[in-house]
Parts: sequence; C-alpha cells; structure tokens
Amino acid sequence: QQQVKQSPQSLIVQKGGISIINCAYENTAFDYFPWYQQFPGKGPALLIAIRPDVSEKKEGRFTISFNKSAKQFSLHIMDSQPGDSATYFCAPEAKKTDADSWGKFQFGAGTQVVVTP
Amino acid sequence: ETGVTQSPTHLIKTRGQQVTLRCSSQSGHNTVSWYQQALGQGPQFIFQYYREEENGRGNFPPRFSGLQFPNYSSELNVNALELDDSALYLCASSLVSTSTDTQYFGPGTRLTVL
Repeated sequence: QQQVKQSPQSLIVQKGGISIINCAYENTAFDYFPWYQQFPGKGPALLIAIRPDVSEKKEGRFTISFNKSAKQFSLHIMDSQPGDSATYFCAPEAKKTDADSWGKFQFGAGTQVVVTP
Repeated sequence: ETGVTQSPTHLIKTRGQQVTLRCSSQSGHNTVSWYQQALGQGPQFIFQYYREEENGRGNFPPRFSGLQFPNYSSELNVNALELDDSALYLCASSLVSTSTDTQYFGPGTRLTVL
C-alpha cells in the first residue's frame, strides 16, 4: 500500500519564486521526516529533516513545515535558483523502537522541480 | 560527495543471468540499505542490513539477496534477472547509534537487463 504520497509530480517556478512540495503519510510510527535532493546521475542527498517535536525548521532558503495532526510535511524553497532544479523526495522513517516499521524505508514518488531563469 | 562508493558504475546483463553489486559504506557506519530506482520513480526499498543481519525488507522476491561484511561493506545479489530489474541500484549507509538517522547515498549502479 502507498503509505507516502508526494505532490505535485512536477513544478516549474521562475527564478526568485517559491517552490512548495507536500508529503502525506499514513504510518504514525514515523518520527523522522527528511527531504532528499537528487540531481541526474547522482544518488539522493539529504537536504533538510525535521523531528516531530517542532513544527518548522529553516536552513537557509529551505524550510520544512510539519503538521502532525494532518500527517503531512512540506518543503518550501524560497528565492528558487536554477541550481535548485532537481528531483525532491520525502522519505519519512519510523522509530527504532517500532520493530514492525523500523528499517523499512519508503520514499515518495518524487517532485521534479525546474527553475527557469 | 558522500563517502559511499558503489561498483560497478554501469552493468549490462541478459535475462536469466545473475548479478552482484557492491557497496562500500561511509567510514564508521554500521547500517546499509539498498534501493531500486526505476527511471522517473522514487527509490524503492529492497532491504537493510544492520551489523551483518537483515533488519528490514521491502516487497522484493527472494531472488534479491544481500550480505553485509564485518567491515560493513555490502553486496546485493540478484538471481534470474528479469527485464524489469533494469534500474539504478542505490546503497545508503547510516550510523544507527546516532539520533540523526541520516542516510548517505552512493552514486548508484545502473543495471540494464536485455
């Protein structure tokens, strides 16, 4: 079953604009919420991550917003740059104490972001 | 660049053959996970090894198997290759004892099955 749903599938934004990507999950055992960035021909790389004890985390131009009750978290890319053009994945992870869920990672389907000059 | 390396970079096999992919984890990491990424899709979790034991497994048949060695390097073996096995295979290492749970991905091995 699809436990992680990511939207939109693709996004085109002008340079300087804001990109917003959403991730909805079902498993309440998730307690680590990362976003990965992947460039063509490369493996994914951690961009930013959040724990459920905070509702927002900002690192430079990248912000994660977390809504525990709605079981959603989102990535905001402020002042988008052409170098941000990549595919972004959410990949929530379960608590290590949850024997049924830990170690079984699920990635979203990905959002391809294109930033136009 | 992460410290995770994978070999080979590219590989071409024919249907029915067997293949072994290799991964060298980032120094000090005790956990490795393998993923299959089809073109235009997100990575699909195959399995994870923690201290040489399989710790979790995704929805992949038994012909996908793995090993983790005492130095924490790892292998992914796929038997009886099928055309649909053509994909980018990624390994990711992490250190379970920390609280960050960060996975560090290698560049992947591109497998083509003809």
